[in-house]
This record gives sequence, C-alpha cells and structure tokens, in this order.
Amino acid sequence: DQQVKQNSPSLSVQEGRISILNCDYTNSMFDYFLWYKKYPAEGPTFLISISSIKDKNEDGRFTVFLNKSAKHLSLHIVPSQPGDSAVYFCAASAYQGAQKLVFGQGTRLTINP
Amino acid sequence: EPEVTQTPSHQVTQMGQEVILRCVPISNHLYFYWYRQILGQKVEFLVSFYNNEISEKSEIFDDQFSVERPDGSNFTLKIRSTKLEDSAMYFCASSEVGANYGYTFGSGTRLTVV
Repeated sequence: DQQVKQNSPSLSVQEGRISILNCDYTNSMFDYFLWYKKYPAEGPTFLISISSIKDKNEDGRFTVFLNKSAKHLSLHIVPSQPGDSAVYFCAASAYQGAQKLVFGQGTRLTINP
Repeated sequence: EPEVTQTPSHQVTQMGQEVILRCVPISNHLYFYWYRQILGQKVEFLVSFYNNEISEKSEIFDDQFSVERPDGSNFTLKIRSTKLEDSAMYFCASSEVGANYGYTFGSGTRLTVV
C-alpha cells in the first residue's frame, strides 16, 4: 500500500545548484503535505509543509510545489549546500488536525563540492 | 531548542521477551506518537496519543503493543512478546497541535530482537 511514493532512492547534485526532490501520492483525501529531512542516527526533522489549498510554499532556500491534479509535489532546494546531504521524506495527512502521517520511502540527497 | 528524548538508543532483546521503549516528549506538547522504520523501509505510523488515550492506531499496533503516559513527562511503548520482525528503529514524536504543523521526532531507539 504505497499511498506516498518517492521514486528516486538517491539524487546527487553539485554544491550551489538546485536540488529537486519529487513525491507522488495516490490518496485524493490527502490535503496536507510535509517534507522531513533525516541525518544518520537522528530522527526526522520537519522542514516545510503545504496545504492543498496552495500550490507553493517558500521558506528560505526551500520551496515546496504542489500539483493537485497530478497528485505530485516537489521540494526545491536552492542553492544546495553540503549540509543538505541527508535523506528526505515526503509525508501526507488526510485532514486538518490529523494525527497520522503517511511517509514515502525517502530520497538520499548527496551534495558534491 | 526543546528536544524529544528517547532511551535507550539501542536495545537488544531475546524473542518472546517484553521490552519498554521510553520517551520524554517536549513539555508543552499535547500529542504524542510512535513510529517505526524497519531497515531499508519507510517510516510507518504506529499510534497517536492525546488526552491520556489512544486517538488513532495502525494495523501494525496489535495486542502485543501498548502505550502509556505513566506520569507527566514520560511516554512509553511496550511490546509484550517480541518477534524477530519487531526489529526496527522506533521513533517517538510530539506536537503541539497535531500532525500538519510538523512533529518533533526523537533520535530513535534501535530495537534488535535475536
């Protein structure tokens, strides 16, 4: 049951360039989407979220885009920095005030100097 | 910055034994969660806890699992009779207002069942 899918297990980007991480979902009841970042031996850290009533949310170097008709979202990081190297998880919840998040499998981002 | 603290960081137990994983959520948070990640797989929801009761649980969270908030600060996950397939990283998380504004996760407890 893969309601949230991240089809790229890994991504390698040069420092200073744009990193684009993608996520697809199948459940049309999802209306809130989040990105988490995870370093080894640490728990996931919340990065940025977007409600389904928006198509873009920006926070510093991080921008999340949502295409509801395609059931697709993406996280853009620009410019990419070495400290951005981590595993990035896309997650979704089904309603305002929901308790449960459904996570994707994660994408390992490596930023090369 | 406030943290969610989990202990121990690594627990090894024999199959069939009971284990208790401990968490100290952030003090003003009202919602508490357990998730797990089996090696190489996605992070999976186990249970959410609010107002001293379970508010939602997954199909993974069967009768072998229980959660408790024994005092004002700790939040525990008990697995009564561990199986080999319970081996995973278990993450505790807490939030002020629910999932949509982001949880704060702890660093996890790696449970190894032998």
